[in-house]
Amino acid sequence: DAKTTQPNSMESNEEEPVHLPCNHSTISGTDYIHWYRQLPSQGPEYVIHGLTSNVNNRMASLAIAEDRKSSTLILHRATLRDAAVYYCILRDGDTGTASKLTFGTGTRLQVTL
Amino acid sequence: GAGVSQSPSNKVTEKGKDVELRCDPISGHTALYWYRQSLGQGLEFLIYFQGNSAPDKSGLPSDRFSAERTGGSVSTLTIQRTQQEDSAVYLCASSPQGNIAKNIQYFGAGTRLSVL
Repeated sequence: DAKTTQPNSMESNEEEPVHLPCNHSTISGTDYIHWYRQLPSQGPEYVIHGLTSNVNNRMASLAIAEDRKSSTLILHRATLRDAAVYYCILRDGDTGTASKLTFGTGTRLQVTL
Repeated sequence: GAGVSQSPSNKVTEKGKDVELRCDPISGHTALYWYRQSLGQGLEFLIYFQGNSAPDKSGLPSDRFSAERTGGSVSTLTIQRTQQEDSAVYLCASSPQGNIAKNIQYFGAGTRLSVL
């Protein structure tokens, strides 16, 4: 599986935007970029995904580099409830192997008042 | 609607005993996954079901671990002769279809297993 690299931790002030980076230099053309987050004592929660174009949803935005070797998850206004571990995951578009999510160590986001 | 439900939420057992963990996926989801998260470790994939069959069991750590799914719905993960290293949070997820890379997986809250 193609590997992702994320910073171990980041801090943000409440109400400010947060940019969470992810490097995936060995991404293949069929890999989708997924982001999940895990709040304390909960199961992971889907945030957003994309293939080539930037994506927006109610939770966040995903900015994908033109060469697709990196991406950035953008939380437009961080709240205390956004404190979680954020995982950047590549999913192979080949239907034979697309099943499982391979989680790395993620980025632990701390949000302070 | 109802999300993925797992039971029990907590299970304490003695070393050597067998345990069964249950997962009720979202209604209509054909794909079901088991993962586990050990203390201080990341999430690791265990097994994937599409309907009642398991095309990918590659993550099961030993033959003490088995899982089944019946009626394309409920799944049970069984750990025989539990060991202390089996202590972890076991997470279940479901998805409308498993082999589509853009499909979302919806996770339950997990079962925290403690082996004494």
